[in-house]
Amino acid sequence: QSVLTQPPSVSGAPGQRVTISCTGSSSNIGAGYDVHWYQQLPGTAPKLLIYGNSNRPSGVPDRFSGSKSGTSASLAITGLQAEDEADYYCQSYDSSLSGLFGGGTKLTVL
Amino acid sequence: EVQLVESGGGLVQPGGSLRLSCAASRFTFSSYWMSWVRQAPGKGLEWVANIKQDGSEKYYVDSVKGRFTISRDNAKNSLYLQMNSLRAEDTAVYYCGRIRDGYNLDAFDIWGQGTKVTVSS
Repeated sequence: QSVLTQPPSVSGAPGQRVTISCTGSSSNIGAGYDVHWYQQLPGTAPKLLIYGNSNRPSGVPDRFSGSKSGTSASLAITGLQAEDEADYYCQSYDSSLSGLFGGGTKLTVL
Repeated sequence: EVQLVESGGGLVQPGGSLRLSCAASRFTFSSYWMSWVRQAPGKGLEWVANIKQDGSEKYYVDSVKGRFTISRDNAKNSLYLQMNSLRAEDTAVYYCGRIRDGYNLDAFDIWGQGTKVTVSS
């Protein structure tokens, strides 16, 4: 059981908007540690999607956005495309400076 | 292109040892915190360990403390993970990752392709 909780799966039709939640606690996200998001396509290494709660690395489309509030964070994907079908992970740290990952969310594009 | 390439994975018996390596290229390796992250078959990502730029600070997930050691050689642009007393539950693909911006609590912005470790008799 991951310390950061994500829904196991979400789905949406092409063009729609989906959100993926990441719920932590006062020991991690709520303590002020940033949340980062990764996309993992089947059989490949993870790729950084969002860093510092809401920042996109160069090359990541602006269809992807992140936010954080209290002990939770969210990843939003607008204008869903078939190539967005992947696993998505949130990541943060806790007060012992240990890294934490969410359990992952499988996005299905219908 | 900035790159990380892992090596050293393989099949090992329970209780055995393995040393993973990660070769970095096209960035100033000594300026970054580095990390190991693993993914068991069909499972999610699990952070394993971080190491500071000069090796003076190291952090581990509880399940590997006392068994795994992260280290680095900045002269060789290389990161290592010495894994001892291996267990079946250590079976996973192991990724090395660069922590962006020289700050230990930041995101993993560069990932290697992973190296597979299987612990089985």
